[in-house]
Amino acid sequence: RKEVEQDPGPFNVPEGATVAFNCTYSNSASQSFFWYRQDCRKEPKLLMSVYSSGNEDGRFTAQLNRASQYISLLIRDSKLSDSATYLCVVTLPNDYKLSFGAGTTVTVRA
Amino acid sequence: DAGVIQSPRHEVTEMGQEVTLRCKPISGHNSLFWYRQTMMRGLELLIYFNNNVPIDDSGMPEDRFSAKMPNASFSTLKIQPSEPRDSAVYFCASSSLQGVGQFFGPGTRLTVL
Repeated sequence: RKEVEQDPGPFNVPEGATVAFNCTYSNSASQSFFWYRQDCRKEPKLLMSVYSSGNEDGRFTAQLNRASQYISLLIRDSKLSDSATYLCVVTLPNDYKLSFGAGTTVTVRA
Repeated sequence: DAGVIQSPRHEVTEMGQEVTLRCKPISGHNSLFWYRQTMMRGLELLIYFNNNVPIDDSGMPEDRFSAKMPNASFSTLKIQPSEPRDSAVYFCASSSLQGVGQFFGPGTRLTVL
C-alpha cells in the first residue's frame, strides 16, 4: 500500500465552481501535512500547511481527519490560474522526509 | 530573496557520459534534498543532507549515482556513467525546520540519448 494516495483526476471544472478532493495516508503516526501545487513543467510549490483544526488561505481550505487518515483541499470560486496538479504531502515525527502523493490534476475551463 | 538555485536547467548528453547537477539551497536552510521526477514513477527522494551530512541515501538508484555537499551553500548530484533511463527532471529542495515544508528549485531536465 502506498504511503500517500490521491485520486489522480482530472477534475474539470468551470470558472467560479468549487472543487474538492481528498488524499489518504497509511501511517497513523504521520505528523505534518501539506498541499503542494505543481504547474506543468515547473517545480512543486508549497501551497499551504494543513493544521489539525483546519485552515483557510483565501479561496483554499484544507482539512485534516486523523481518525480516518485523510486530508482534503477545497478550492472556492475557481480561477483559470488554479489549473495545476495538487500534491498531498505527509511527514513522520522527527523526520525531514516528505512522502508525496502522485497528485490530483485540476483543470479550470473558461 | 533568492530561492533554491539549480544548474544547468537543461542537459542533453549521450549514454556513458558523466553528468553533474548543481544546487545552491536557500541561505540559512540546513537540510537539502535531491529528488527525481518521471511520469512513470512520480517524485522520488534520492538523498537528503542535514547540516551537510548525508542522512538517508536509500533512494539513490545505484552506484552510478553519487551526491556531495561540501558546504552549506552547495551540493552536487553526479551520474557516471549516465544511461537513457536516467532521463528525468531532477529537483533540489531545501528546508530549515522539520514540519515547515520544503522549497524546490526549478529543476534540471536531463535527457540521456
